[in-house]
Amino acid sequence: SYELTQPPSVSVSPGQTARITCSGDALPKQYAYWYQQKPGQAPVLVIYKDSERPSGIPERFSGSSSGTTVTLTISGVQAEDEADYYCQSADSSGTLWVFGTGTKVTVL
Amino acid sequence: QVTLKESGPVLVKPTETLTLTCSVSGFSLSTNIMGVSWIRQPPGKALEWLAHIFPNDETSYSTFLKSRLAISRDTSKSQVVLTMTNMNPVDTATYFCARLGDYGEFHWGQGALVTVSS
Repeated sequence: SYELTQPPSVSVSPGQTARITCSGDALPKQYAYWYQQKPGQAPVLVIYKDSERPSGIPERFSGSSSGTTVTLTISGVQAEDEADYYCQSADSSGTLWVFGTGTKVTVL
Repeated sequence: QVTLKESGPVLVKPTETLTLTCSVSGFSLSTNIMGVSWIRQPPGKALEWLAHIFPNDETSYSTFLKSRLAISRDTSKSQVVLTMTNMNPVDTATYFCARLGDYGEFHWGQGALVTVSS
């Protein structure tokens, strides 16, 4: 089955930049989406269609895509950004959805 | 305002069948062009997509769990129902329903924790 691979954890000091990668064979053909999830809460969309930012999401969140890898960048990390982050996409047919393995962002 | 709310049993026994209901408001299941998915998350683990139903009643299922899942909708009640057969303790998870938005993004319900234990 199709998989999206993320690093298990990323640690960053306040004000620094965090980068989270997500790799999958179908990513050149399918858009990627990024969700932030804090303990006990439902996921919140922070990036859609690889690099678009929903209204209400701070500008420090950005997304990019290159080949089979997409990246979520958090510039000027703040303590409130500490959370789990998941990428999401679809397989090449577009009718089977998949989530990444998840990355825990720790703000030191 | 678009909302989704999951409901169902908090506890099920091994081998039983789980039935979960997603009640939606603020949009119509028959006109929303993208459909509704069910997604789960075991405690401390990653999100896992399970199933999707489109407005034309076409369905799509996780390859791994396809044999155990059925998704359906009742447009008159604004509900999407998921059944999962032969429940096992490893199926203990928070189950979310989520609407697929215009850009292919998920909009989530609050989730419902289901524990499988005898």
